Amino acid sequence: QSVLTQPPSASGTPGQRVTISCSGSSSNIGSNTLNWYQHLPGTAPKIIIYSNNQRPSGVPDRFSGSKSGTSASLAISGLRSEDEAEYYCASWDDSLNGPVFGGGTKLTVL
Amino acid sequence: QVQLVQSGAEVKKPGASVKVSCKASGYTFTSYTIHWVRQAPGQRLEWMGWINAGDGDTKYSQNFQDRITISRDTSASTAYMELSSLRSEDTAVYYCARLLGFFDLWGRGTLVTVSS
Repeated sequence: QSVLTQPPSASGTPGQRVTISCSGSSSNIGSNTLNWYQHLPGTAPKIIIYSNNQRPSGVPDRFSGSKSGTSASLAISGLRSEDEAEYYCASWDDSLNGPVFGGGTKLTVL
Repeated sequence: QVQLVQSGAEVKKPGASVKVSCKASGYTFTSYTIHWVRQAPGQRLEWMGWINAGDGDTKYSQNFQDRITISRDTSASTAYMELSSLRSEDTAVYYCARLLGFFDLWGRGTLVTVSS
């Protein structure tokens, strides 16, 4: 099954900038846009970046996304305690004809 | 208020079936597809399938092809996901989500526990 690869964990101190990577293949990231979701325990995932680098209204501009080839990254600048969550990348997969998700990266604010 | 409201937690025995509902409100139900995604403990989000709420067309992940049925009731603005032949590995939180190029609206999830 096609999947996306993320580091399992990331951390930073308040005010720092952290990045989370996501790698895939030509059937997903390489040919479709990439989205990022923030997931807090017991709640529904929340879209924070769509179409590689677009922020929905209400998402702070501290969050940014980029994509190159079959890889993408999420950057969070000016880290805050409320950013502590699990972050998932996701993309449509042409082979699956459905979405695929990364394994999730647990962000800890030290 | 635009939202998806899911049915409550379920406990099922191995071999049984479960049917989870997802009621949409605040938008035109038939204008979007509804997807089902699950997350087992310690596992990644896993896509299960979708339904076009307008024409009822469905597409299932090969991982669930033989056991899943997604349906909808347009009069009730509700989508359903039924999973049969449950096993312990199906213990997970099941989410419905609306697709707008990305999943812009999610339900809060339904915990399904499979245990003898």
